[in-house]
Amino acid sequence: DAKTTQPNSMESNEEEPVHLPCNHSTISGTDYIHWYRQLPSQGPEYVIHGLTSNVNNRMASLAIAEDRKSSTLILHRATLRDAAVYYCILRDEIGGTSYGKLTFGQGTILTVHP
Amino acid sequence: NAGVMQNPRHLVRRRGQEARLRCSPMKGHSHVYWYRQLPEEGLKFMVYLQKENIIDESGMPKERFSAEFPKEGPSILRIQQVVRGDSAAYFCASSQGRYTGELFFGEGSRLTVL
Repeated sequence: DAKTTQPNSMESNEEEPVHLPCNHSTISGTDYIHWYRQLPSQGPEYVIHGLTSNVNNRMASLAIAEDRKSSTLILHRATLRDAAVYYCILRDEIGGTSYGKLTFGQGTILTVHP
Repeated sequence: NAGVMQNPRHLVRRRGQEARLRCSPMKGHSHVYWYRQLPEEGLKFMVYLQKENIIDESGMPKERFSAEFPKEGPSILRIQQVVRGDSAAYFCASSQGRYTGELFFGEGSRLTVL
């Protein structure tokens, strides 16, 4: 899987929007962009994924740059429960080479202040 | 619908003993993955199994570690003759499809080797 780059940490205040960036300049045409998060002492949790178009679900939105070399996970109103490590992961779903073998980087530690 | 169930949640072993970690995937899922998270490190892929088959064990240490996913029953990750360096959180994940779909992670089994 291609490499992603994320800031080590970010901070936010409760009920404010949070934009978590991810750079993936070597992304291939068959790579989907996945986001997972890991709350303290828990297993990772799927957040959202997309290929080219922006995506929305009940948890977050994913904005993908037109050249696909970067993306941003958007939490519209951060809560204390959103404090976690957020991982941006590329997964080759079309080429079928990476199945569930996800490559987790260091992720971004999100701190949410009350 | 129960999620991925892992047990035990916490396991303490002395050096040289064996550790057995169990994982029951989500209902309807036949793809199981094991990941390891060493203290202060990211998650690393270990092995990918389908019922009765090991598909990819490229992340498994060459010695002392083995995994199985029998036709009936949970997937088992077995660590023989544990050493202190095996102390980590071991996460199991399952998915419905091989190349697509989100991975659902369990809450992990935390192994401490004294």
